[in-house]
Amino acid sequence: DAGVTQSPTHLIKTRGQQVTLRCSPKSGHDTVSWYQQALGQGPQFIFQYYEEEERQRGNFPDRFSGHQFPNYSSELNVNALLLGDSALYLCASSFIGAANYGYTFGSGTRLTVV
Amino acid sequence: AQSVTQPDIHITVSEGASLELRCNYSYGATPYLFWYVQSPGQGLQLLLKYFSGDTLVQGIKGFEAEFKRSQSSFNLRKPSVHWSDAAEYFCAVEGNNDMRFGAGTRLTVKP
Repeated sequence: DAGVTQSPTHLIKTRGQQVTLRCSPKSGHDTVSWYQQALGQGPQFIFQYYEEEERQRGNFPDRFSGHQFPNYSSELNVNALLLGDSALYLCASSFIGAANYGYTFGSGTRLTVV
Repeated sequence: AQSVTQPDIHITVSEGASLELRCNYSYGATPYLFWYVQSPGQGLQLLLKYFSGDTLVQGIKGFEAEFKRSQSSFNLRKPSVHWSDAAEYFCAVEGNNDMRFGAGTRLTVKP
């Protein structure tokens, strides 16, 4: 049973560009949450998707947007990249009917903005 | 929204010594609490979780945590630390399907 899969694992972009990160949830999970983890910090909640809609959002600008597909996979898009967007982006999946069993995390996408 | 505070940024212990990592949370209702561990460049691995019932929770790798509602705390403990326990540890609280993390505690293990 595959866990959470994120792609790509590493990415280098230039300031001002746009980037798309992808996440496939664990089998049986229907909810995807995205986190940004800057170096030396804890994961910061970006947003959560369920039933192809954004359920909740953290304190991130509109440059950060997402999408969830009918197969529950998800994308995170960041426009007009800034140097400060360099971070590890983590995707976590869960089953909303039993969300208190905790999230399953992917290994993350390391984004470097130069 | 809920929040988590981990007061210790960095802790160093000797191999074989006991360990306690502190975690304080803020949440209006009964919290769901978690401890995760992260090795460098890796994702997060769940160590243990608390939902209800027995306030002393056992996890993987010999870790345990105790929920104290009166102190809004969920401290992580291990009786004897191994060199392989060196990593970053994150406490998290979940409410309304929304999980928030503390800033983490980096554990260094001395030989």
